[in-house]
Amino acid sequence: RKEVEQDPGPFNVPEGATVAFNCTYSNSASQSFFWYRQDCRKEPKLLMSVYSSGNEDGRFTAQLNRASQYISLLIRDSKLSDSATYLCVVNTGRRALTFGSGTRLQVQP
Amino acid sequence: NAGVTQTPKFRILKIGQSMTLQCTQDMNHNYMYWYRQDPGMGLKLIYYSVGAGITDKGEVPNGYNVSRSTTEDFPLRLELAAPSQTSVYFCASSTMRAPDYGYTFGSGTRLTVV
Repeated sequence: RKEVEQDPGPFNVPEGATVAFNCTYSNSASQSFFWYRQDCRKEPKLLMSVYSSGNEDGRFTAQLNRASQYISLLIRDSKLSDSATYLCVVNTGRRALTFGSGTRLQVQP
Repeated sequence: NAGVTQTPKFRILKIGQSMTLQCTQDMNHNYMYWYRQDPGMGLKLIYYSVGAGITDKGEVPNGYNVSRSTTEDFPLRLELAAPSQTSVYFCASSTMRAPDYGYTFGSGTRLTVV
């Protein structure tokens, strides 16, 4: 089983739609969690950290469910500029951050 | 503030050739990492370093070597390049192993082995 699993998509949604991605992780001792955004042929960039109480940054909401070992990202009012691959990232406390394979989002006009 | 700088941005190697991918950071970060990303896949850890003089293997270290003689530099060496090493290579750095703000990445080196 992969340490971090994501649905690869693509998720094709119209502008203005709400879209949600989930990610599951296998190591129950994982300590911190992140969502990164990666544009085509570019480096990953931190979108937001994910806290136990859930957190929001503008149109983006991240939630963590430790009991079920999953993380979610909700994007409201999707913009064309939100089109990218979203990487779920977990710190298992071992060597370095572990990256999921990503979920591709395509926002259509 | 340059952040993490990787060179070269692109390179084509022939099978059996060697090369060094350069990575430099100017943020005085102790932790540095090398990842590779194959098409449609996540990032896989090759090597990492927790400080000058200390390096350790990641998930996919075979065919690579690293050194960390200074805090700023963390070069990745490919010996005897193989087609399986065709990938995009990202260097990253952080102040600690589990930073709340994640990593700072370089812009990547796109390597093709033919």
